[in-house]
Amino acid sequence: SQQGEEDPQALSIQEGENATMNCSYKTSINNLQWYRQNSGRGLVHLILIRSNEREKHSGRLRVTLDTSKKSSSLLITASRAADTASYFCATDSGNTPLVFGKGTRLSVIA
Amino acid sequence: DTAVSQTPKYLVTQMGNDKSIKCEQNLGHDTMYWYKQDSKKFLKIMFSYNNKELIINETVPNRFSPKSPDKAHLNLHINSLELGDSAVYFCASSRGSGGPNTGELFFGEGSRLTVL
Repeated sequence: SQQGEEDPQALSIQEGENATMNCSYKTSINNLQWYRQNSGRGLVHLILIRSNEREKHSGRLRVTLDTSKKSSSLLITASRAADTASYFCATDSGNTPLVFGKGTRLSVIA
Repeated sequence: DTAVSQTPKYLVTQMGNDKSIKCEQNLGHDTMYWYKQDSKKFLKIMFSYNNKELIINETVPNRFSPKSPDKAHLNLHINSLELGDSAVYFCASSRGSGGPNTGELFFGEGSRLTVL
């Protein structure tokens, strides 16, 4: 069953701007992960945040997690055209494989 | 070196045919998966194998049969293909067992299946 729901479904920004994507989920989790998928390619892991963490950084990526609201956000700062891709959140809830949301399609215009 | 490789990348076939997709990982991971991504980009788990043993079998028609000859390989065989089977099928692997705190998944590039 689907767990994560990303918002917005699509986002278009100018190069240099920041991009924020949100993910909401329904059940308690062990961790939440974000993945990127370039067009026609496989998914690539970006970052994992554990349920006892509130914020995590990796390069230009910043992820927050609010377990009380069952939501997470992914911020990409100073976006580049190469950041154009679909971004998925995925939740690890126990003895089940990762469950993915429907993704946010990000377009960064040069 | 490709970590998770799947073949073929593209597959076009007629309804009713039988086809297979192969997947191999050279990461030494214990767990492998098949996910299906539909035209709306929704990714859904189909199967999960840990050390050649099936551990997850989601609601998937019996026409789909995974086979794991060893822990580095997980193949997907589909019988009597239907139009609705058209999708991109992704193989993935993880170090973890597929249970809590599995960790990150490593994905192949996908196999786009088109059923005519």
